[in-house]
Amino acid sequence: RKEVEQDPGPFNVPEGATVAFNCTYSNSASQSFFWYRQDCRKEPKLLMSVYSSGNEDGRFTAQLNRASQYISLLIRDSKLSDSATYLCVVGGTGGSYIPTFGRGTSLIVHP
Amino acid sequence: DTEVTQTPKHLVMGMTNKKSLKCEQHMGHRAMYWYKQKAKKPPELMFVYSYEKLSINESVPSRFSPECPNSSLLNLHLHALQPEDSALYLCASSLSRGQRTEAFFGQGTRLTVV
Repeated sequence: RKEVEQDPGPFNVPEGATVAFNCTYSNSASQSFFWYRQDCRKEPKLLMSVYSSGNEDGRFTAQLNRASQYISLLIRDSKLSDSATYLCVVGGTGGSYIPTFGRGTSLIVHP
Repeated sequence: DTEVTQTPKHLVMGMTNKKSLKCEQHMGHRAMYWYKQKAKKPPELMFVYSYEKLSINESVPSRFSPECPNSSLLNLHLHALQPEDSALYLCASSLSRGQRTEAFFGQGTRLTVV
């Protein structure tokens, strides 16, 4: 079983739609959780950190469910510019934070 | 300043060449990473440096040789590469290992081995 799993998609949604991605992780002792965005042929860029209490940044909401070992990203009012690959990143344990990536979920927002 | 700078942005090299990739950050981060990313795949960890010492080598072939001259610089020396080594090489840094802090990535070096 992979450490971090994501549905690769693509998720094809119209502008203005709400879309949600999930990411599951296998190590129950994982401590750090992030969502990164990666555009085609570019480097990953931090979108948001995911805290136990959940967090929101504008149209983006991230949540952590430790009991079920998944994190989620909700995008409201999708824009064309949201089209990208969204990478779930989980950090390790035991004093060792090593970013481990999921395979990414592709989002395509169309007019 | 949350910038990680990688040079060169593009590199084409022959299988007998020796080249180096460079990475620089001035955020005071003490953990630095090399990742390799193939098309439509997530970044795969290659090396981790913590306080200028190599702490993780993910069974990377010896034709890749990392070096951390100081806390701001990270190099990846390349020698006798194979065409299958063609990929995007990403450098990243974070505050330190053992901290729940995010990693920041450079723009990457797109390497083509011919």
